[in-house]
Amino acid sequence: DQQVKQNSPSLSVQEGRISILNCDYTNSMFDYFLWYKKYPAEGPTFLISISSIKDKNEDGRFTVFLNKSAKHLSLHIVPSQPGDSAVYFCAALTQGGSEKLVFGKGTKLTVNP
Amino acid sequence: GAGVSQSPSNKVTEKGKDVELRCDPISGHTALYWYRQSLGQGLEFLIYFQGNSAPDKSGLPSDRFSAERTGGSVSTLTIQRTQQEDSAVYLCASSSMGLASETQYFGPGTRLLVL
Repeated sequence: DQQVKQNSPSLSVQEGRISILNCDYTNSMFDYFLWYKKYPAEGPTFLISISSIKDKNEDGRFTVFLNKSAKHLSLHIVPSQPGDSAVYFCAALTQGGSEKLVFGKGTKLTVNP
Repeated sequence: GAGVSQSPSNKVTEKGKDVELRCDPISGHTALYWYRQSLGQGLEFLIYFQGNSAPDKSGLPSDRFSAERTGGSVSTLTIQRTQQEDSAVYLCASSSMGLASETQYFGPGTRLLVL
């Protein structure tokens, strides 16, 4: 039973355009969400996070949107750059609960020059 | 400063053998996590150490898996009597205080192949 779902295994966009990566969750107790980026042969690195008290968090080219009623979040990258090509993992947790992140399966983003 | 390191980077073993995977967390980080990423899957939580507390082993898939953390620093994940389905990338991460909302710093992983 997957609590965090990234239904698109891959996404391809043109350099300079917007990349939108989606994530859905089923556990309504989740109240903190994170995105990690992973290059081949490296460990994931933290990208951006959002608390459930917000519906948007922005950091440079990266913006995460949270729709609690739909149990959906998305990561927007604009403008996309070839160096953004990586696998993006969505993760969720319940603050004050078990200190474990629940990860999605990831979406492989390819940004074409 | 050094990040999280893991060794070996790659390990090929025969079915039925035991393997040990090592993780050196960032110095001073009290929390250490082990995850597994099987082909086409996300990161699967295995075990979590926080300071001197008893580890959270709830993610270990079977009793063939065990882990220890000596002196609150280095951790070893042991898989006994390996099976082909154990083939995966094993990732270690550490964080400073052990709150799941904190940034976790990952090592490069150990790629395990069980033949």
